[in-house]
Amino acid sequence: QKEVEQDPGPLSVPEGAIVSLNCTYSNSAFQYFMWYRQYSRKGPELLMYTYSSGNKEDGRFTAQVDKSSKYISLFIRDSQPSDSATYLCAMIRERAGNNRKLIWGLGTSLAVNP
Amino acid sequence: DAGITQSPRHKVTETGTPVTLRCHQTENHRYMYWYRQDPGHGLRLIHYSYGVKDTDKGEVSDGYSVSRSKTEDFLLTLESATSSQTSVYFCAIKIAASTDTQYFGPGTRLTVL
Repeated sequence: QKEVEQDPGPLSVPEGAIVSLNCTYSNSAFQYFMWYRQYSRKGPELLMYTYSSGNKEDGRFTAQVDKSSKYISLFIRDSQPSDSATYLCAMIRERAGNNRKLIWGLGTSLAVNP
Repeated sequence: DAGITQSPRHKVTETGTPVTLRCHQTENHRYMYWYRQDPGHGLRLIHYSYGVKDTDKGEVSDGYSVSRSKTEDFLLTLESATSSQTSVYFCAIKIAASTDTQYFGPGTRLTVL
């Protein structure tokens, strides 16, 4: 079993829809959580970074962490065709030196249709 | 791309040939990483560096070596390329020791025939 599970999709939604993207994890030591967006044939780019449980909002994007359920989510409001990309979650265990490695989900492919 | 360039961007090579991929950064960040990305496997760490001449293995380091003789350059070498090394290779940097977020280059698409 992978440490981080993410449904690869594809997920297809109409423009303007609210999108929910999710990852589950098995190791309760994970404390730091990230969401990256990757356009086709490009490198991943950081979208959101959160620590421990709770919500963080940035424009149309909201990251949510539920440590009791070992579940993180990324919500996209008023989705746009430009949001069509693959979304990857990543996480790190509690700090243990400067060489902490990211543990990645496989990514969810999202298509927002005009 | 956080000042990261990768070269070449595309390469086709034959099994058994050596291949070197270059990652160049312009801002003297200490931490640099090489990943490969494959369908069904996601991003996997090959090697990373935490300073000039300081490197360590990631989860899929077999068949790969790295070198970092200058802060700005991190080289990934496939000593004898195999078809299983056909992949997209990404370089990443971390802008500070105390941060966890990594910033990625544009990638190199490598095909080994």
